[in-house]
Amino acid sequence: KAGVTQTPRYLIKTRGQQVTLSCSPISGHRSVSWYQQTPGQGLQFLFEYFSETQRNKGNFPGRFSGRQFSNSRSEMNVSTLELGDSALYLCASSLVQGVGNTIYFGEGSWLTVV
Amino acid sequence: GENVEQHPSTLSVQEGDSAVIKCTYSDSASNYFPWYKQELGKRPQLIIDIRSNVGEKKDQRIAVTLNKTAKHFSLHITETQPEDSAVYFCAASTPTGTASKLTFGTGTRLQVTL
Repeated sequence: KAGVTQTPRYLIKTRGQQVTLSCSPISGHRSVSWYQQTPGQGLQFLFEYFSETQRNKGNFPGRFSGRQFSNSRSEMNVSTLELGDSALYLCASSLVQGVGNTIYFGEGSWLTVV
Repeated sequence: GENVEQHPSTLSVQEGDSAVIKCTYSDSASNYFPWYKQELGKRPQLIIDIRSNVGEKKDQRIAVTLNKTAKHFSLHITETQPEDSAVYFCAASTPTGTASKLTFGTGTRLQVTL
């Protein structure tokens, strides 16, 4: 069974631009969540989607948004990029929504904002 | 919201020795505690998890203990090997959220020396 797939793996953007990252969950998984990982802040929760609906949202500005499609694939978008948005963006999927369900991470998308 | 503190931030042990990483959490309602291992440039991978109705769980050389009263949980690695070198993250989840919304500790960089 294929794991969580994220594209692109690496990208460089300029301040003020916007970026869209894509995530394909493990087959059969319906819950997708996104995390930002930086050396200074560690792993921080961005949002979670289940059945095409955002179920939870972390403490990030409105420039960060996401969506989920009917096939459970998800995208996240960051508009008006800032230098501080440089990070590893990790997508994770789980079978269903709910506490105690194991989440599996993708390899991540490395975003550098210059 | 939930807050998870993790100690130590770095840990160096000799091959064959044991390693212990400790985490404390703030929300007494938290009831699911996974541990992730992240090798350099790789995705975080679940190595063990424990639910609040269990005090201890073991899987070969890895064990996790949970003290609900004190609100802390620990990861124990025995007979460490060089391939155990990585960053380890603890996390906590509460029933008011979902398993996908995990609050992570800041990570422990474990180095196993020969």
